[in-house]
Amino acid sequence: DAEITQSPRHKITETGRQVTLACHQTWNHNNMFWYRQDLGHGLRLIHYSYGVQDTNKGEVSDGYSVSRSNTEDLPLTLESAASSQTSVYFCASSESMELAGDGGQFFGPGTRLTVL
Amino acid sequence: GQNIDQPTEMTATEGAIVQINCTYQTSGFNGLFWYQQHAGEAPTFLSYNVLDGLEEKGRFSSFLSRSKGYSYLLLKELQMKDSASYLCAVIDSNYQLIWGAGTKLIIKP
Repeated sequence: DAEITQSPRHKITETGRQVTLACHQTWNHNNMFWYRQDLGHGLRLIHYSYGVQDTNKGEVSDGYSVSRSNTEDLPLTLESAASSQTSVYFCASSESMELAGDGGQFFGPGTRLTVL
Repeated sequence: GQNIDQPTEMTATEGAIVQINCTYQTSGFNGLFWYQQHAGEAPTFLSYNVLDGLEEKGRFSSFLSRSKGYSYLLLKELQMKDSASYLCAVIDSNYQLIWGAGTKLIIKP
């Protein structure tokens, strides 16, 4: 069965360190997204990609970067981790929003990141 | 700006019916999703509405009124496993998903 996985599931790091969160999907979807979820906020979009070599900034992109070298993977990098980046991070993929009736975005299990 | 409003928390009794409302103000509209999210888990798809009216799927139904910028999710015959957060999300004119903060539903026996 197709799926979307994230690793690690939990990560504790120190302020100033570079951290990379992995996201891998076997749906063969062109669209991939990174969100963060914090109490009292909806899912907030960090970066997204509509295909290989395509990346775009979301509403909360400062301090984060992504790269898309193949269809399956969209790693998220925190260049210099800050305590404000302590959050739960979700990766998602979709075939297209125009065909949204097929279920929209499919989410990975999430990564809980703590920055001390 | 773009905005989606949902109640923060609701409580209901096992076996009862509950309606979770969502109002939105977005730049354009190309559809509305409801997702369910259990604590510590990923959101999962419940329903999609793009035309006005009611979509029924088992114990869950979702309603949309585009002219009023309003949707609701109706859960019938509530079960303890329905305790979760319910997220409303709208596809805007750029085909971006705009998310509400979610409604935490607590089911009491």
